[in-house]
Amino acid sequence: LAKTTQPISMDSYEGQEVNITCSHNNIATNDYITWYQQFPSQGPRFIIQGYKTKVTNEVASLFIPADRKSSTLSLPRVSLSDTAVYYCLVGDPDNAGNNRKLIWGLGTSLAVNP
Amino acid sequence: GAGVSQTPSNKVTEKGKYVELRCDPISGHTALYWYRQSLGQGPEFLIYFQGTGAADDSGLPNDRFFAVRPEGSVSTLKIQRTERGDSAVYLCASSPTDAFSGANVLTFGAGSRLTVL
Repeated sequence: LAKTTQPISMDSYEGQEVNITCSHNNIATNDYITWYQQFPSQGPRFIIQGYKTKVTNEVASLFIPADRKSSTLSLPRVSLSDTAVYYCLVGDPDNAGNNRKLIWGLGTSLAVNP
Repeated sequence: GAGVSQTPSNKVTEKGKYVELRCDPISGHTALYWYRQSLGQGPEFLIYFQGTGAADDSGLPNDRFFAVRPEGSVSTLKIQRTERGDSAVYLCASSPTDAFSGANVLTFGAGSRLTVL
């Protein structure tokens, strides 16, 4: 079973902010939360990783509440090119053996409309 | 190279045939991974190399699947006696080390789409 739960799909429009929430009720103390993006016919691409509070980079922001049982990937002002599948993964960076075998789940298929 | 390169991008074969899929990782990345992704699913781990050795092959589905990385760079995934159920996209990823934090996240190739008729 996947350690995370995400919505299967979301729809948005160009210029809107999109927030994708991932539930990870059984997150362990040493686990980090990592998000990947995958376009059709491409491999997944790392977006952002965080442990607590808020992380921001040039692509997205990641909000993690104090209890860390969920996290929200925020994409500001999406464009058509943000249409992709977004995967949320939870794992301990120092436990690579387990991380290799993480169940990725179905991800969230985001469709950005004109 | 600048990214992870996989060839062929598409391979169509007949049931029972042998196939080889090649992965050229990012230069200097010692860790190399093979994953398999079926339509509508997330990637599924197959095998991991640290340098030339297969450090973890626990994800290989059966003994028809084999992978090598003889010089610690390019890797080849080999599938014998292919079956229709082997049809999937085979993804290769590399990382500077076997760690999943910060800069050591996985960089994936575009994948090789295998279709077994």
